[in-house]
Amino acid sequence: EVQLVESGGGLIQPGGSLRLSCAASGFTVSSKYMTWVRQAPGKGLEWVSFIYSGGSTFYADSVKGRFTISRDNSKNTLYLQMNSLRAEDTAVYYCAKGDTAHDYWGQGTLVIVSS
Amino acid sequence: QSALTQPASVSGSPGQSITISCTGTSSDVGGYNYVSWYQQQPGKAPKLMIYEVSSRPSGVSNRFSGSKSGNTASLTISGLQAEDEADYYCSSYRSSNTLVFGGGTKLTVL
Repeated sequence: EVQLVESGGGLIQPGGSLRLSCAASGFTVSSKYMTWVRQAPGKGLEWVSFIYSGGSTFYADSVKGRFTISRDNSKNTLYLQMNSLRAEDTAVYYCAKGDTAHDYWGQGTLVIVSS
Repeated sequence: QSALTQPASVSGSPGQSITISCTGTSSDVGGYNYVSWYQQQPGKAPKLMIYEVSSRPSGVSNRFSGSKSGNTASLTISGLQAEDEADYYCSSYRSSNTLVFGGGTKLTVL
């Protein structure tokens, strides 16, 4: 059974850093395209980043240069390193399997950027 | 990176059919057959309902169908049921290896 479990969210001050994790089971993260999507409170879904099976990475303009997507094949885990956090980064962050269509999603982890 | 355009809300009575539109440009919806639709219940993660414009994942009711014409994609739900009440989002691949979502549509079953 495919499962995605995010962790690492929390309250962080503006300018701070946080690393989100997404532990996968039931499939191999390195063999699939993976995506991070976020949803600000009461707002819609926003694409954040892709990592392709070959390792190529892509980012939304809003996070480019601040966020880094990566994976640890030995732990079958996807990561999102978030630096220079801003208030507008406050959201529930979801990891999802796939790139253009996401058939499995995690439960989400809440990141609150506030002083 | 502007979002795809969806109506903020639609409504229908049980048994009726409704259609939700998703308008983009030739750089996303019109240029690729990578339009997906998601259903999101309050407090839950999104659920994939349609992928590649009109394909349905295993387990999704055939009351849900998708189509595309030009730069506009559509999700149709037939035989509306109370359990269909949710937020619906479209997404599309956009040129240069990016993805864009619509702003979301709240479906109310009257």
